[in-house]
Amino acid sequence: QKEVEQNSGPLSVPEGAIASLNCTYSDRGSQSFFWYRQYSGKSPELIMFIYSNGDKEDGRFTAQLNKASQYVSLLIRDSQPSDSATYLCAVKGTGRRALTFGSGTRLQVQP
Amino acid sequence: DTAVSQTPKYLVTQMGNDKSIKCEQNLGHDTMYWYKQDSKKFLKIMFSYNNKELIINETVPNRFSPKSPDKAHLNLHINSLELGDSAVYFCASSQERQLNTEAFFGQGTRLTVV
Repeated sequence: QKEVEQNSGPLSVPEGAIASLNCTYSDRGSQSFFWYRQYSGKSPELIMFIYSNGDKEDGRFTAQLNKASQYVSLLIRDSQPSDSATYLCAVKGTGRRALTFGSGTRLQVQP
Repeated sequence: DTAVSQTPKYLVTQMGNDKSIKCEQNLGHDTMYWYKQDSKKFLKIMFSYNNKELIINETVPNRFSPKSPDKAHLNLHINSLELGDSAVYFCASSQERQLNTEAFFGQGTRLTVV
């Protein structure tokens, strides 16, 4: 079982729709959870982090965390073509560990 | 101001050569990392240094040797390069003690071994 799992996609949504990206993780002691966006040929950049159960909103983005189900999601409202990228879920586990990344979900927003 | 900078951005070299990638961060972070991103975009941790101390050393061939002269610099030296080493290598840094230990990434070094 991979430590952090994501559906590779591509996830295709029309412009203006809500895109829903999901991630599950295996380390039950994980403390912090991050969503990064990576455009082709570029480095990952942080969108949001969350470490408490529930929802966290920032502009068009909402991160959701359910530690009991070991599940993290990212919702993008009013999706724009500029949101087309690969979205990486990252988890900070127990101890002095680096972020562990999922393999990413490629999002395509159709104009 | 560039937060995490790595050089070179592109590196094309022949099998068997030895090469180095350099990384510097000006964020005052105490922890630096090397990640490898393969053709399927999977980012995998290779090494991590905290205040010049090696704290993470994943299963990486010993042809790869990191070196941290100080907490703002982390270099990666690769001996006897192989075709399978072709990938994008990302340097990153973070402040370890914070709960939201976001990692900031450099622009990546695309290594192509021919």
